Amino acid sequence: AQSVTQPDIHITVSEGASLELRCNYSYGATPYLFWYVQSPGQGLQLLLKYFSGDTLVQGIKGFEAEFKRSQSSFNLRKPSVHWSDAAEYFCAVAPFSGGYNKLIFGAGTRLAVHP
Amino acid sequence: DAGVIQSPRHEVTEMGQEVTLRCKPISGHNSLFWYRQTMMRGLELLIYFNNNVPIDDSGMPEDRFSAKMPNASFSTLKIQPSEPRDSAVYFCATTRDTETQYFGPGTRLLVL
Repeated sequence: AQSVTQPDIHITVSEGASLELRCNYSYGATPYLFWYVQSPGQGLQLLLKYFSGDTLVQGIKGFEAEFKRSQSSFNLRKPSVHWSDAAEYFCAVAPFSGGYNKLIFGAGTRLAVHP
Repeated sequence: DAGVIQSPRHEVTEMGQEVTLRCKPISGHNSLFWYRQTMMRGLELLIYFNNNVPIDDSGMPEDRFSAKMPNASFSTLKIQPSEPRDSAVYFCATTRDTETQYFGPGTRLLVL
């Protein structure tokens, strides 16, 4: 069965520091890959997505992610974190089957930012 | 565009009562998903509609849950009777064909 693992439940970084959030997936083929962010009390906002092509994808708010097929990973990065980045981040995969994208989410990583 | 609209944003009810959650998709989107988010189970897909037709309801927990999409502009998720373990945040997401899903702000449900 398909699954998504986000190994880090909580991460704390200082403002201005770099950030990497890890995501590993289990699927036989290359799925569609997504990162969403959820601020407290809010819905999920798409940060970026990978369907095919260049394995380094740029997203909103200065985030990027790199797809590594050999490692079944899709890690999210940001070179310099801002206090407003404090939120929960979800990696999701969509194994394209049955004619639609059934998103499977990881458990999420909660990011805290120290001033 | 107004985005996905969900109502109510918060709902507090007593066990045994009927609860109806509502979702208005983004105009032009033909696929609609209902998700439930809890601390214990994370984000779970409950049901998926395509062109107003339920395609995959394998995530619906039990017969107490039902969902409808009478037209392209409106969907409901109903819980009858509600139980305390149904307390969660319920999200609606929509997409055009198989593109990116856009999420609504969610309905926070508390069943006492």
